[in-house]
Amino acid sequence: EAGVAQSPRYKIIEKRQSVAFWCNPISGHATLYWYQQILGQGPKLLIQFQNNGVVDDSQLPKDRFSAERLKGVDSTLKIQPAKLEDSAVYLCASSLDQTGPPALYEQYFGPGTRLTVT
Amino acid sequence: DAKTTQPPSMDCAEGRAANLPCNHSTISGNEYVYWYRQIHSQGPQYIIHGLKNNETNEMASLIITEDRKSSTLILPHATLRDTAVYYCIALFYNFNKFYFGSGTKLNVKP
Repeated sequence: EAGVAQSPRYKIIEKRQSVAFWCNPISGHATLYWYQQILGQGPKLLIQFQNNGVVDDSQLPKDRFSAERLKGVDSTLKIQPAKLEDSAVYLCASSLDQTGPPALYEQYFGPGTRLTVT
Repeated sequence: DAKTTQPPSMDCAEGRAANLPCNHSTISGNEYVYWYRQIHSQGPQYIIHGLKNNETNEMASLIITEDRKSSTLILPHATLRDTAVYYCIALFYNFNKFYFGSGTKLNVKP
């Protein structure tokens, strides 16, 4: 089966500019996650969707970050305006259904988008 | 969620067993322990998970202590390709939040 797709793979922008990342999860996966991974740290969950609804966005800086999953399939994450501290790898992951039993929680990660803000 | 504590790094000789410890002393009765690993420049990869009993799959074994306050991930015959950061995560069933922490950097040496 095809894995989680993300684009672009790399992006360099100047501070105060805007940027958008795209993610296409594995077909049939109801749960989609966006993580931010700063160099040397573990991934930090930004937002989690169940189909097209938001389950958890408690760590999303909502003054500058937004995300949507309109049709319950692919998703976009936007940063506007970007700050230097947003430089990180943005990872998208999906799982079958994190409202079901733990056997369905296995997350499949995409390759990530490396963002550099100058 | 219970937070987990892992050593920042470990070394292992190729072909030997790698035993990666994780402390989760505040884990509650219905929190599962998950292990993921992240090879350089890739997204994390699921390894195994468990609740109370020891678990084994084609990648690794998970040993959970009887009091569930700690666990050990065992790679029985480590290879150079197992060099990665290994994350231990405690997840409340149906609570929906994975907290990755900083993980353990496993260096497998020839």
